[in-house]
Amino acid sequence: QSALIQPPSASGSPGQSVTISCTGTSSDVGGYDFVSWYKQHPGKAPKLMIYEVTKRPSGVPDRFSGSKSGNTASLTVSGLQAEDEADYYCTSYVGSNKVLFGGGTKLTVL
Amino acid sequence: EVQLLESGGGLVQPGGSLRLSCAASGFTFSSYAMSWVRQAPGQGLEWVSTIFGGGRSTYYADSVKGRLTISRDNSKNTLFLQMNTLRAEDTAVYYCAKGPGENKLRPNFDSWGQGTLVTVSS
Repeated sequence: QSALIQPPSASGSPGQSVTISCTGTSSDVGGYDFVSWYKQHPGKAPKLMIYEVTKRPSGVPDRFSGSKSGNTASLTVSGLQAEDEADYYCTSYVGSNKVLFGGGTKLTVL
Repeated sequence: EVQLLESGGGLVQPGGSLRLSCAASGFTFSSYAMSWVRQAPGQGLEWVSTIFGGGRSTYYADSVKGRLTISRDNSKNTLFLQMNTLRAEDTAVYYCAKGPGENKLRPNFDSWGQGTLVTVSS
């Protein structure tokens, strides 16, 4: 099964909002409300930012929000800050007892 | 505070074996599913395997099924990954990850270790 599709890069200026998409199929993203998003700085471990499409773990700023429409999930970062610059990965339960990650999106704060 | 500390990585020849460990602390280990996720150099994240809290239910990515085996020792709060018949494409940083707190396969990995590098090369 191929990775979920994410744009390789995204960018925005401080204070702006940016949305990163994660596209799958009706058998994975579209079929389950089990999409998570992770933030990863170079050389560091990933950090859970969103789970079950829209839920934020304790300690994650409410500037981060998740949504889903059809086969595409999205992560929106509002009020961009310099520390938001990182790689972002989506992941989804895809049935048949499997989990799939997206290819990752490098977010640049201009 | 949750802590996950991986060990056991290193250089191994193609066809060789390696056993990774992940020592956990700061939470009730047996109550959580645990997973291994890997990241090849310069590449994205790849889910490898998950084991439920009791240790009897295990799940694998197709790319590793039959070669990698996940297990856990709840008496020692330790997660393992036995890696056999290793290939060059298994070269990656291997992370152990915690969660969810229920016996369901969900990508809700709320804590991660720092990772251990496995290099498969002759």
